[in-house]
Amino acid sequence: DQQVKQNSPSLSVQEGRISILNCDYTNSMFDYFLWYKKYPAEGPTFLISISSIKDKNEDGRFTVFLNKSAKHLSLHIVPSQPGDSAVYFCAASASSGTYKYIFGTGTRLKVLA
Amino acid sequence: EAGVVQSPRYKIIEKKQPVAFWCNPISGHNTLYWYLQNLGQGPELLIRYENEEAVDDSQLPKDRFSAERLKGVDSTLKIQPAELGDSAVYLCASSFSRQSEQFFGPGTRLTVL
Repeated sequence: DQQVKQNSPSLSVQEGRISILNCDYTNSMFDYFLWYKKYPAEGPTFLISISSIKDKNEDGRFTVFLNKSAKHLSLHIVPSQPGDSAVYFCAASASSGTYKYIFGTGTRLKVLA
Repeated sequence: EAGVVQSPRYKIIEKKQPVAFWCNPISGHNTLYWYLQNLGQGPELLIRYENEEAVDDSQLPKDRFSAERLKGVDSTLKIQPAELGDSAVYLCASSFSRQSEQFFGPGTRLTVL
């Protein structure tokens, strides 16, 4: 039972263009969402998060959008750079429970120079 | 500030052998996590410690896996005996509290032959 889904295993984008990574969840108790970036042979690093009381959070080139009614969130990277090439994981947690992170399966982003 | 340290980075063993992984969390972080990451999947929580107490070990296969966090700092995850299906990356993460952002170490890649 995959509570957090990233249905696109990979995505290729030209440098300078927008990258949009998508994530869907099924558990309505989730109220905190995060994106992690992972380079090969390294652990995931925190990128950006959003609480369910917001529908948008922005940090530099990275913006996360949350659509609670659709149980969907997306990460926008504008403009995309070759250094953004990595695997991106979304994660969700419920503050009413143990704050346990449930991760998606990841999307491999490749930014082409 | 030093990040989460894990050792070894790579381990190759034969099935039925024991293996142990070590994690040193970020100084001051009370919460420590061990995750399992299979190829093409997101990290899955094995166990969470609050200081030296294991507060969520529901996903830890207790017949062969064990963990400890003596003095509430370093932690060790052990598998005995290892099986072929245990081949994966074992990630350690830490956070100031369970509500705080998690910081991951580089992981230990285990190969069981």
